[in-house]
Amino acid sequence: QVQLVQSGAEVKKPGASVKVSCKASGYTFTDYYMHWVRQAPGQGLEWMGWINSNTGGTKYVQKFQGRVTMTRDTSISTAYMELNRLTSDDTAVYYCARESSLDVWGTGTTVIVSS
Amino acid sequence: DIQMTQSPSSLSASVGDRVTITCRASQGIRNDLGWYQQKPGTAPKRLIYAASSLQSGVPSRFSGSGSGTEFTLTISSLQPEDFATYFCLQHNTYPRTFGQGTKVEIK
Repeated sequence: QVQLVQSGAEVKKPGASVKVSCKASGYTFTDYYMHWVRQAPGQGLEWMGWINSNTGGTKYVQKFQGRVTMTRDTSISTAYMELNRLTSDDTAVYYCARESSLDVWGTGTTVIVSS
Repeated sequence: DIQMTQSPSSLSASVGDRVTITCRASQGIRNDLGWYQQKPGTAPKRLIYAASSLQSGVPSRFSGSGSGTEFTLTISSLQPEDFATYFCLQHNTYPRTFGQGTKVEIK
Protein backbone atom coordinates (compact mmCIF):
# COMPACT_ATOMS: atom_id res chain seq x y z
CA GLN A 1 0.00 0.00 0.00
CA VAL A 2 1.05 3.60 -0.49
CA GLN A 3 2.99 4.94 2.48
CA LEU A 4 4.82 8.15 3.22
CA VAL A 5 7.10 7.88 6.23
CA GLN A 6 8.60 11.08 7.56
CA SER A 7 11.64 11.80 9.69
CA GLY A 8 11.46 12.29 13.43
CA ALA A 9 10.71 15.33 15.53
CA GLU A 10 13.13 18.24 15.60
CA VAL A 11 13.86 20.98 18.10
CA LYS A 12 15.61 24.01 16.66
CA LYS A 13 16.80 27.39 17.85
CA PRO A 14 15.48 30.55 16.18
CA GLY A 15 17.50 31.35 13.08
CA ALA A 16 18.41 27.72 12.44
CA SER A 17 17.31 25.49 9.55
CA VAL A 18 15.42 22.22 9.51
CA LYS A 19 15.28 19.54 6.83
CA VAL A 20 12.40 17.07 6.90
CA SER A 21 12.39 13.90 4.84
CA CYS A 22 9.49 11.93 3.39
CA LYS A 23 10.17 8.39 2.17
CA ALA A 24 7.64 6.99 -0.25
CA SER A 25 6.77 3.35 -0.83
CA GLY A 26 4.08 1.35 -2.57
CA TYR A 27 4.07 3.34 -5.83
CA THR A 28 6.40 4.75 -8.47
CA PHE A 29 7.86 7.80 -6.77
CA THR A 30 8.52 9.78 -9.94
CA ASP A 31 4.93 9.44 -11.17
CA TYR A 32 3.53 11.88 -8.60
CA TYR A 33 4.26 15.34 -7.32
CA MET A 34 4.92 15.69 -3.60
CA HIS A 35 3.29 18.50 -1.65
CA TRP A 36 4.12 19.92 1.74
CA VAL A 37 1.60 21.19 4.27
CA ARG A 38 2.02 22.42 7.82
CA GLN A 39 -0.26 22.67 10.82
CA ALA A 40 0.68 25.03 13.63
CA PRO A 41 -0.66 24.32 17.13
CA GLY A 42 -4.33 25.21 17.30
CA GLN A 43 -4.22 26.53 13.74
CA GLY A 44 -5.53 25.40 10.42
CA LEU A 45 -3.63 23.67 7.65
CA GLU A 46 -1.31 25.67 5.42
CA TRP A 47 -0.11 24.50 2.01
CA MET A 48 3.55 25.31 1.40
CA GLY A 49 4.27 24.10 -2.13
CA TRP A 50 5.16 21.13 -4.28
CA ILE A 51 8.01 19.40 -6.00
CA ASN A 52 7.78 17.50 -9.26
CA SER A 53 9.33 14.22 -8.14
CA ASN A 54 10.39 13.44 -11.71
CA THR A 55 12.00 16.69 -12.85
CA GLY A 56 12.72 18.37 -9.52
CA GLY A 57 10.75 21.45 -10.52
CA THR A 58 9.16 23.32 -7.63
CA LYS A 59 6.41 25.75 -6.78
CA TYR A 60 6.30 27.52 -3.43
CA VAL A 61 3.73 29.69 -1.71
CA GLN A 62 4.93 33.27 -1.89
CA LYS A 63 5.00 33.47 1.91
CA PHE A 64 7.85 30.93 1.99
CA GLN A 65 9.73 32.06 -1.12
CA GLY A 66 13.42 32.45 -0.35
CA ARG A 67 13.15 30.47 2.86
CA VAL A 68 12.01 27.02 1.73
CA THR A 69 13.69 24.51 -0.54
CA MET A 70 12.07 21.29 -1.70
CA THR A 71 14.28 18.59 -3.18
CA ARG A 72 14.12 14.89 -3.87
CA ASP A 73 16.36 11.87 -4.26
CA THR A 74 14.76 9.51 -6.75
CA SER A 75 17.25 6.73 -5.98
CA ILE A 76 15.72 6.31 -2.54
CA SER A 77 12.18 7.60 -3.30
CA THR A 78 12.53 10.39 -0.79
CA ALA A 79 11.41 14.00 -0.83
CA TYR A 80 12.82 16.71 1.39
CA MET A 81 11.64 20.06 2.67
CA GLU A 82 14.17 22.47 4.14
CA LEU A 83 13.06 25.63 5.92
CA ASN A 84 15.60 28.30 6.86
CA ARG A 85 15.73 31.21 9.28
CA LEU A 86 13.29 29.56 11.63
CA THR A 87 11.17 31.58 14.06
CA SER A 88 8.73 30.49 16.74
CA ASP A 89 5.96 30.92 14.16
CA ASP A 90 7.40 27.92 12.30
CA THR A 91 6.59 25.60 15.21
CA ALA A 92 4.22 23.14 13.57
CA VAL A 93 3.66 19.62 12.34
CA TYR A 94 4.91 19.33 8.78
CA TYR A 95 3.32 16.83 6.41
CA CYS A 96 4.18 15.62 2.96
CA ALA A 97 1.24 14.58 0.81
CA ARG A 98 1.07 12.89 -2.56
CA GLU A 99 -0.18 14.48 -5.77
CA SER A 100 -2.34 17.47 -6.53
CA SER A 101 -5.38 16.28 -4.62
CA LEU A 102 -3.29 15.29 -1.57
CA ASP A 103 -4.64 11.76 -1.56
CA VAL A 104 -2.16 10.21 0.87
CA TRP A 105 -0.41 12.03 3.69
CA GLY A 106 2.84 11.37 5.46
CA THR A 107 3.19 10.49 9.11
CA GLY A 108 4.01 14.07 10.07
CA THR A 109 7.11 15.67 11.57
CA THR A 110 6.89 17.93 14.59
CA VAL A 111 9.24 20.89 14.44
CA ILE A 112 9.60 22.99 17.57
CA VAL A 113 11.44 26.30 17.38
CA SER A 114 12.46 27.53 20.78
CA SER A 115 15.36 29.34 22.35
CA ASP B 1 -6.62 32.79 -3.01
CA ILE B 2 -9.79 30.74 -2.68
CA GLN B 3 -11.23 30.93 0.81
CA MET B 4 -12.86 27.80 2.18
CA THR B 5 -15.42 28.55 4.88
CA GLN B 6 -16.29 25.48 6.89
CA SER B 7 -19.12 25.18 9.38
CA PRO B 8 -19.73 24.45 12.12
CA SER B 9 -16.34 24.71 13.81
CA SER B 10 -17.45 22.11 16.34
CA LEU B 11 -20.47 20.02 17.15
CA SER B 12 -21.62 17.58 19.81
CA ALA B 13 -23.46 14.50 18.70
CA SER B 14 -24.46 11.09 19.92
CA VAL B 15 -23.73 7.67 18.47
CA GLY B 16 -26.27 7.00 15.76
CA ASP B 17 -26.86 10.67 14.94
CA ARG B 18 -26.76 12.05 11.43
CA VAL B 19 -24.08 14.71 11.09
CA THR B 20 -23.65 17.28 8.33
CA ILE B 21 -20.64 19.53 7.76
CA THR B 22 -20.47 22.22 5.10
CA CYS B 23 -17.70 23.91 3.15
CA ARG B 24 -18.28 26.97 1.04
CA ALA B 25 -15.72 28.13 -1.52
CA SER B 26 -15.25 31.82 -2.27
CA GLN B 27 -15.34 31.02 -5.97
CA GLY B 28 -16.32 28.03 -8.05
CA ILE B 29 -14.06 25.00 -7.81
CA ARG B 30 -16.10 22.53 -9.89
CA ASN B 31 -15.91 19.29 -7.87
CA ASP B 32 -12.22 19.64 -6.96
CA LEU B 33 -12.77 19.04 -3.28
CA GLY B 34 -11.77 16.40 -0.76
CA TRP B 35 -12.91 15.65 2.77
CA TYR B 36 -10.51 14.39 5.41
CA GLN B 37 -10.68 12.95 8.89
CA GLN B 38 -7.96 13.63 11.42
CA LYS B 39 -7.59 12.09 14.86
CA PRO B 40 -5.22 13.59 17.43
CA GLY B 41 -1.58 12.86 16.73
CA THR B 42 -2.24 11.19 13.41
CA ALA B 43 -2.07 12.18 9.76
CA PRO B 44 -5.20 13.24 7.91
CA LYS B 45 -7.01 10.48 6.07
CA ARG B 46 -9.01 11.24 2.94
CA LEU B 47 -12.61 10.06 3.07
CA ILE B 48 -14.12 11.64 -0.04
CA TYR B 49 -12.54 12.78 -3.30
CA ALA B 50 -13.99 14.67 -6.25
CA ALA B 51 -16.62 16.03 -3.84
CA SER B 52 -18.76 12.89 -3.79
CA SER B 53 -16.63 9.80 -4.44
CA LEU B 54 -15.96 7.51 -1.50
CA GLN B 55 -12.32 6.65 -0.95
CA SER B 56 -11.64 2.92 -1.08
CA GLY B 57 -12.01 1.29 2.32
CA VAL B 58 -14.03 4.13 3.85
CA PRO B 59 -17.37 3.09 5.39
CA SER B 60 -20.46 3.88 3.35
CA ARG B 61 -21.95 5.95 6.17
CA PHE B 62 -19.72 8.76 4.89
CA SER B 63 -20.95 10.64 1.85
CA GLY B 64 -20.19 13.89 0.10
CA SER B 65 -22.18 16.13 -2.17
CA GLY B 66 -21.99 19.47 -3.91
CA SER B 67 -20.31 21.24 -6.78
CA GLY B 68 -19.18 24.75 -7.55
CA THR B 69 -19.14 26.58 -4.25
CA GLU B 70 -21.23 24.54 -1.78
CA PHE B 71 -20.15 21.16 -0.45
CA THR B 72 -21.41 18.86 2.26
CA LEU B 73 -19.99 15.91 4.16
CA THR B 74 -22.60 13.70 5.79
CA ILE B 75 -22.13 10.93 8.31
CA SER B 76 -25.39 9.00 8.22
CA SER B 77 -25.05 7.25 11.58
CA LEU B 78 -22.22 8.43 13.79
CA GLN B 79 -20.06 5.67 15.24
CA PRO B 80 -17.68 5.87 18.23
CA GLU B 81 -14.65 5.80 15.94
CA ASP B 82 -15.94 8.83 14.01
CA PHE B 83 -15.24 11.31 16.78
CA ALA B 84 -12.47 13.35 15.19
CA THR B 85 -11.80 16.57 13.30
CA TYR B 86 -12.94 16.87 9.69
CA PHE B 87 -11.75 19.33 7.10
CA CYS B 88 -12.14 20.07 3.43
CA LEU B 89 -9.47 20.84 0.85
CA GLN B 90 -9.89 22.54 -2.52
CA HIS B 91 -7.46 21.39 -5.20
CA ASN B 92 -8.84 23.42 -8.08
CA THR B 93 -6.37 26.27 -7.82
CA TYR B 94 -3.03 27.12 -6.25
CA PRO B 95 -2.46 27.79 -3.47
CA ARG B 96 -4.34 24.82 -2.10
CA THR B 97 -6.58 25.95 0.73
CA PHE B 98 -8.36 24.19 3.54
CA GLY B 99 -11.44 24.62 5.62
CA GLN B 100 -10.76 25.50 9.25
CA GLY B 101 -11.99 22.13 10.48
CA THR B 102 -14.96 20.76 12.38
CA LYS B 103 -14.37 18.96 15.63
CA VAL B 104 -17.00 16.29 16.22
CA GLU B 105 -17.32 15.53 19.92
CA ILE B 106 -19.36 13.11 21.96
CA LYS B 107 -22.54 14.53 23.45
